[in-house]
Amino acid sequence: DSGVTQTPKHLITATGQRVTLRCSPRSGDLSVYWYQQSLDQGLQFLIQYYNGEERAKGNILERFSAQQFPDLHSELNLSSLELGDSALYFCASSEGPSGGPYEQYFGPGTRLTVT
Amino acid sequence: GNSVTQMEGPVTLSEEAFLTINCTYTATGYPSLFWYVQYPGEGLQLLLKATKADDKGSNKGFEATYRKETTSFHLEKGSVQVSDSAVYFCALNSNTGNQFYFGTGTSLTVIP
Repeated sequence: DSGVTQTPKHLITATGQRVTLRCSPRSGDLSVYWYQQSLDQGLQFLIQYYNGEERAKGNILERFSAQQFPDLHSELNLSSLELGDSALYFCASSEGPSGGPYEQYFGPGTRLTVT
Repeated sequence: GNSVTQMEGPVTLSEEAFLTINCTYTATGYPSLFWYVQYPGEGLQLLLKATKADDKGSNKGFEATYRKETTSFHLEKGSVQVSDSAVYFCALNSNTGNQFYFGTGTSLTVIP
């Protein structure tokens, strides 16, 4: 158990809909990262927050947004969903802002299926 | 820029065989290097790490040595078990960047 929790575990929704994925980092970790894992594209970094502020942006679509709240939990919002958004979405947390020896701890993921 | 290249899979080995999964990197500065493992249906777990040149990370019989001269961090295990079947990801954390960079993952299947 990494200490990172994600809800829900599974989500099935229709095209055009909007969903929110939630992540609680490990106790004491200030950074939260979001990743998308699909069969054809591997593990794609989406976005990172550190202590409430956006720190780095990866391959995140404009239809997707995220935020980190004062209690350090984070939410990833996916809107106008398309079939291609079906994937596993992982949240990870780390102690530091970025760089250096800080490893990332991954949650169990949310499996999103868009029909 | 920063990137990680790891050998393509899938890799299939018999139990007790020797394992090598190659990983090379490109990075500015002096990155920290990691191997993560993803078992079926689970998230990624840290397997081992090395934070400076010539460091050797090791865990559960797996080893990898940070080689700056060849920009490599190959994963090795002397005798694999069926329970090692998983996807292995090489990754780097650059001291000058804001991202963790993952390789594409190598799927390993160990058959009895």
